[in-house]
Formats: sequence, C-alpha cells, structure tokens
Amino acid sequence: DAGVIQSPRHEVTEMGQEVTLRCKPISGHDYLFWYRQTMMRGLELLIYFNNNVPIDDSGMPEDRFSAKMPNASFSTLKIQPSEPRDSAVYFCASSPGQGAVDTQYFGPGTRLTVL
Amino acid sequence: AQSVAQPEDQVNVAEGNPLTVKCTYSVSGNPYLFWYVQYPNRGLQFLLKYITGDNLVKGSYGFEAEFNKSQTSFHLKKPSALVSDSALYFCAVRDPTGGFKTIFGAGTRLFVKA
Repeated sequence: DAGVIQSPRHEVTEMGQEVTLRCKPISGHDYLFWYRQTMMRGLELLIYFNNNVPIDDSGMPEDRFSAKMPNASFSTLKIQPSEPRDSAVYFCASSPGQGAVDTQYFGPGTRLTVL
Repeated sequence: AQSVAQPEDQVNVAEGNPLTVKCTYSVSGNPYLFWYVQYPNRGLQFLLKYITGDNLVKGSYGFEAEFNKSQTSFHLKKPSALVSDSALYFCAVRDPTGGFKTIFGAGTRLFVKA
C-alpha cells in the first residue's frame, strides 16, 4: 500500500489567494483526519471524517477554512482567502476504524507558506 | 477536557543508555494513550498504544511505555538507545467517551549521542 498521499508537498502562495490541499487516505480506512502543525501551537486537529461525513470540525480556526470528503478516497482542505498566519505543515491521517480506529497513519504533510 | 503534557522539550542520552520520555495526561474517564514519532520532514508514525489490560505496552523499534493510573502518566522507555532513535516524540490521549478526537502533546525532541 502506498500509504496516505498528500499533494502538493510544498505550496507557496500570496496572501489572499485560495489554497487547496489534497489527501488520499489508505484504501479501506473509514476515518480521515486533518491536522495543522506549527512551532507555536504544535499539532492541532482541525477536522475529522467518518465514512466521508464530517464528525468534529471544532478545530477549524475560521470560516476561511473548509474541508470536504466527496468520496472514500479523496479529501480536500481549502483556505480562502489565505493569510500569512496560515503558514504551517498540514497533515492528513487515516485510520482503519473498527478494532484499530486509534492507530492513525499520517501522510508526509504539505508545507504551506503564505507570503 | 482532555489534555496531555510532555514536561521536557528535549532529552539527551548517550547511545546504549536507557531512555525515558515523559508524558502525563488529564482525562475524565479511562484514557486511550498513544506514542508517535516524527522524523525530519516526515509525518508522524505510530509507535504504541494503551487501551486496556497490561500496564506495560510494547511497541515498534524496541520501545515500551508504562501506564500508571495513579500518577496519570504514560512514559515512553527503551532499554538501550540508538543514534537512529533521535527524533521528535509525541504523546497523545483520547477520551473514548468523547468521540475520536485525539489530543497531542507538544512533543519532546530526543537526541541520542554516539
């Protein structure tokens, strides 16, 4: 299995632009998580899905952030408009669900820089 | 509310010596506890977890952790450190009665010197 796939690996954009981060979870995993990692705040859970349905989005910082999971093999995290304080590494993780729901498999991350 | 604390920003140990990375937690019920490791420019990798049962949990790469309910701790240990163990280690906790939201600690950087 290729593991969790994230794209792009690096994104540099200018303030005010729309940014879309993409994630392909491991096939068969029922749970998908989006995290943000910064030096100041550490690793923060933004949102997670179960069977493509958003379950907890309490970590989404503002209305500028939105996440979707149109099918079991694809999710997006969108920031519109982007701001310099959004600069961070964004991780996607997936989990098998029943019996092993708490073992999360992380993707390599997308390093976002907003100028 | 659940929380997890890693009191040391950095731990230094000589290769071959035992290592301990500390973690304490706060959760209302019985916790699910985890350790993850992050190597430079990589995502987190699962090491081990405690759900129930034996307080000593064994995981990947020779690591183990001991659940201590009275001290609300879940320290990560390894009998003999390797230089390749140098990385960032995260402790995490989940309250199983509150959904699947997992809270991660700030991380502890481990340096193993040859």
